[in-house]
Amino acid sequence: NAGVMQNPRHLVRRRGQEARLRCSPMKGHSHVYWYRQLPEEGLKFMVYLQKENIIDESGMPKERFSAEFPKEGPSILRIQQVVRGDSAAYFCASSSRQGLTGELFFGEGSRLTVL
Amino acid sequence: DAKTTQPTSMDCAEGRAANLPCNHSTISGNEYVYWYRQIHSQGPQYIIHGLKNNETNEMASLIITEDRKSSTLILPHATLRDTAVYYCIVRANAATQGGSEKLVFGKGTKLTVNP
Repeated sequence: NAGVMQNPRHLVRRRGQEARLRCSPMKGHSHVYWYRQLPEEGLKFMVYLQKENIIDESGMPKERFSAEFPKEGPSILRIQQVVRGDSAAYFCASSSRQGLTGELFFGEGSRLTVL
Repeated sequence: DAKTTQPTSMDCAEGRAANLPCNHSTISGNEYVYWYRQIHSQGPQYIIHGLKNNETNEMASLIITEDRKSSTLILPHATLRDTAVYYCIVRANAATQGGSEKLVFGKGTKLTVNP
């Protein structure tokens, strides 16, 4: 059973470009979470999505950032007009709603570098 | 904001037990204690969780005090590969308790296992 798959693993963008990060949850999981980790800092929650719905976006910056989790295909975290401060590791996690444990399974992350 | 307090760092000798403490004095009756770890640059990994009883799995043991205000994660025979940042998180089990789905990570404890 494949784990949470994130791609690209590494992405380099110039200031002002767009970054798109993709996350395929574990098979059977319909809940996706995105976290950001700045260099030498902890993980910060960004957004929680279920299929076709944003449930909690309390950690998302108000501008330039958006996320979606369509009925078909991976979840996408989109960052428009990137700035150097967006350089970070972005982790995706998934969970099963039916799982009473509530544990999250994380991917290996996508590392964004903004030049 | 994280509801737990952990030491910033700890050291342990290889082959010895690593005991990682966590204070969660404001824990609510419906909140579970979760432990995750993050090995350098990798995605966080679930270790164990519990409500009020002690728990054990193939990775670790979790000891929760009777008043539930603190807990200890025990790695019985630490190896060099256990060097990581260990996060203690409290959260209601969303599947059954209607709690928030997301996990809020604090700064964790940097455990270094020495040869």
